[in-house]
Order: sequence, then C-alpha cells, then structure tokens
Amino acid sequence: KQEVTQIPAALSVPEGENLVLNCSFTDSAIYNLQWFRQDPGKGLTSLLLIQSSQREQTSGRLNASLDTSSGRSTLYIAASQPGDSATYLCAVVRGNNDMRFGAGTRLTVKP
Amino acid sequence: EAQVTQNPRYLITVTGKKLTVTCSQNMNHEYMSWYRQDPGLGLRQIYYSMNVEVTDKGDVPEGYKVSRKEKRNFPLILESPSPNQTSLYFCASSYLTGGNEQYFGPGTRLTVT
Repeated sequence: KQEVTQIPAALSVPEGENLVLNCSFTDSAIYNLQWFRQDPGKGLTSLLLIQSSQREQTSGRLNASLDTSSGRSTLYIAASQPGDSATYLCAVVRGNNDMRFGAGTRLTVKP
Repeated sequence: EAQVTQNPRYLITVTGKKLTVTCSQNMNHEYMSWYRQDPGLGLRQIYYSMNVEVTDKGDVPEGYKVSRKEKRNFPLILESPSPNQTSLYFCASSYLTGGNEQYFGPGTRLTVT
C-alpha cells in the first residue's frame, strides 16, 4: 500500500526566507505527483504537477523536484511571504487514478 | 471556466436524516472521486468512478453511496448520517488516463449532530 509522508508537519519562518518542504512515498511506480495548497477550511489549489518522467517543475517562486527512484519530492519556495502561509499537501497518483495524500506541512511565514 | 462544483458548501444535519451532496464538473472528465478530510488523518478516498455506471469503493466507503448516471455528475449519498461522518468532503475529477491533473471542488463542510 502506498504511504505518503510529509516532513516537517509544521514550519515557521520569517518573511523572505527560502524554504524546502519534503514529501516521500513508498511505492516508486507512480504516474505523477501533485503539490497542493490549502488555506484553513478551504479547498485545494493545485500548485504544480510533475509527471513521473520529469525531474522538476517551476511556477513563479515555486520549484518542485521529483526523484521516483528514491521516492522523494521537494517543494522549494523562494523569498517566502506572509501570503504563503497555508498547509501544503503532496499527493501521488498510481494506476486507476489512485491518488494518495500526505498529511501536509503547515507553513507560517511571519512578517 | 473549467471547474468542479459542489453543493451545498455547508450543511448541518441530524443523525439519520438522509442527505445528498452534489458534485458536477464541466470538463468532460471520465474519472470522478470523493474524499473526506479529517484532522490528523489527511484526505481519504471514499468512492471513485471511472466512467458512467462504473463506480468502486475507496478506502473508507462505509456509510456512503454514490451513483454515476451522467458523466458530469457524481453525487454522494449518506442514507443515515452519523456523527462520525462529520467532516470536510471534496469531489475531484480528471481525465482517465494516468498522468492527468486532478481538479478539486471547493469542499462541503458537513456536521452531523
């Protein structure tokens, strides 16, 4: 059974810092990995989608990498801002569109 | 605008009173699914559908029913809700082939008293 782990569970940083969120998964046979942002009590906003054949994807200040052989992905956020405060979820997709989520990393960026 | 919609967004009900949460997508996606999100447990899949009239259980199907009579709609039915079904529910959709992005609805917060 696919297990997805996100470390750390919570992170607090001062504004302007660069930071890395980690996601690991036990079964390397995945189709893709998605990073989502979730604000408290709200829905999921898709940030980046990385196909299993890709190494990384970038969108603005966000960069996500994927290493299927080691079962790891990282989300790099450059020059963090208070508006980046949210919970970040990673999810891996296997066959039959089976999507498994990590528990998330709760990020707080202090002004 | 491509989107997944859910209704209602908020619902407070009593134990045993049947309810339906609707989900609709306008992207002609074959695949649709329902998740529930609980503190400390993350998102867990309830049911999914690969196409019209094709549904299957996810990880936590007990107490729920679904139907897929039309491609765009995938309602979640709670025949006899119980307090342990108090949760935040999300509907999602995507094209069937692996590797496609899944789109999520805004969520339905359900409270069962």
